[in-house]
Amino acid sequence: GAVVSQHPSWVICKSGTSVKIECRSLDFQATTMFWYRQFPKQSLMLMATSNEGSKATYEQGVEKDKFLINHASLTLSTLTVTSAHPEDSSFYICSARLGAVSLNEQFFGPGTRLTVL
Amino acid sequence: GQQLNQSPQSMFIQEGEDVSMNCTSSSIFNTWLWYKQDPGEGPVLLIALYKAGELTSNGRLTAQFGITRKDSFLNISASIPSDVGIYFCAGRNTGNQFYFGTGTSLTVIP
Repeated sequence: GAVVSQHPSWVICKSGTSVKIECRSLDFQATTMFWYRQFPKQSLMLMATSNEGSKATYEQGVEKDKFLINHASLTLSTLTVTSAHPEDSSFYICSARLGAVSLNEQFFGPGTRLTVL
Repeated sequence: GQQLNQSPQSMFIQEGEDVSMNCTSSSIFNTWLWYKQDPGEGPVLLIALYKAGELTSNGRLTAQFGITRKDSFLNISASIPSDVGIYFCAGRNTGNQFYFGTGTSLTVIP
């Protein structure tokens, strides 16, 4: 149980285009999903918290107009990188919280490698 | 945002040796989690700790929630090649904020 999938697993795009990444909880409902960004050999940096049916909460320094997050259902959250540039190239990982807030266990997707040319 | 201090940053050990890594925070945490990340993959939860002093095992892995609630350690006994990867601690503080450690890269030499 507690499986989280991401699609696509990797994507290469031209500078200026937009890319959508999907995050799905396959066998549970996730009222809260999280989006992280990870640079090579570095830790995960939280970008935003996605709550089903409401606006996402962005971390300081993360542009909400550039990284659009939609959490339309209890099993799906999407991250759209708009007008992507080479500096947006990174490993993007989502996670979903299972259970009550007090437990706060997060289960991660396999990640999406974005390369912007 | 804040990150937890994790040490060591990297480890190179012989197969069969035991491994120990720890994570410290300047503030009190209510939950400690340990994850392993393989290259190109997302982190996988290894152990979750919810009470100060709690000692939990998962196979050859053992983790403890520090009494001060500001630290946690992870031990791996009798390491094997497939233990290679990056290990992250993570935790939730009393303000319900979730943070990741800086990671420990483990290399096991056969």
